[in-house]
Amino acid sequence: EVQLVESGGGLVKPGGSLRLSCAASGFIFSSYSMNWVRQAPGKGLEWVSFISSNSNYIYYADSVKGRFTISRDNAKNSLYVQMNSLRAEDTAVYYCARGPLGVVVISWFDPWGQGTLVTVSS
Amino acid sequence: EIVLTQSPGTLSLSPGERATLSCRASQSLSSSYLAWYQQKPGQAPRLLIYGASTRATGIPDRFSGSGSGTDFTLTISRLEPEDFAVYYCQQYGSSPSTFGQGTKLEMK
Repeated sequence: EVQLVESGGGLVKPGGSLRLSCAASGFIFSSYSMNWVRQAPGKGLEWVSFISSNSNYIYYADSVKGRFTISRDNAKNSLYVQMNSLRAEDTAVYYCARGPLGVVVISWFDPWGQGTLVTVSS
Repeated sequence: EIVLTQSPGTLSLSPGERATLSCRASQSLSSSYLAWYQQKPGQAPRLLIYGASTRATGIPDRFSGSGSGTDFTLTISRLEPEDFAVYYCQQYGSSPSTFGQGTKLEMK
């Protein structure tokens, strides 16, 4: 069974940092691109960042560029996002989501993890 | 960036009825790069349709997608009780990928 499990969310003060992780299982992680997508409380979905299977291609939404860094460790079947200079508007559930096999561009997302909540507040 | 506008915002229907959800793009989408997702309360989104009309693995055939250019439609032919949820469209033909604001399908 394909599974994505996020962790690392929590309460952080504005200007603070947090690192989210996503543990993948049930598929050949190193063959797939991965993404982070977020959803503010009661709001819609926002794509945040993309990383290709070999980390050669990385993209960010303008809203997080320069503050967030996506990475992956294929040996550990894990995806990460380092979030710095956090703002109140970064408060959201953060989902990791798999892209299609072998693509180097943002595509559809399937499946998604269950999400981890990040709250930025003083 | 491409803005996706979904309509209606809320759709009230009964089980057994047909649901038609619309997604309109501010610019023409290359190669029908549009997906649809279903999200139930407290759950992650689930992929229903990609490439505007291709059902994802395990999705019942009562779900169908159509459209091209700027106008896309998700149709649920006969609503089941488990279909009542929020539905989002997503375009991935132009960076950044963007989502519509969602259509809430509620039981009448």
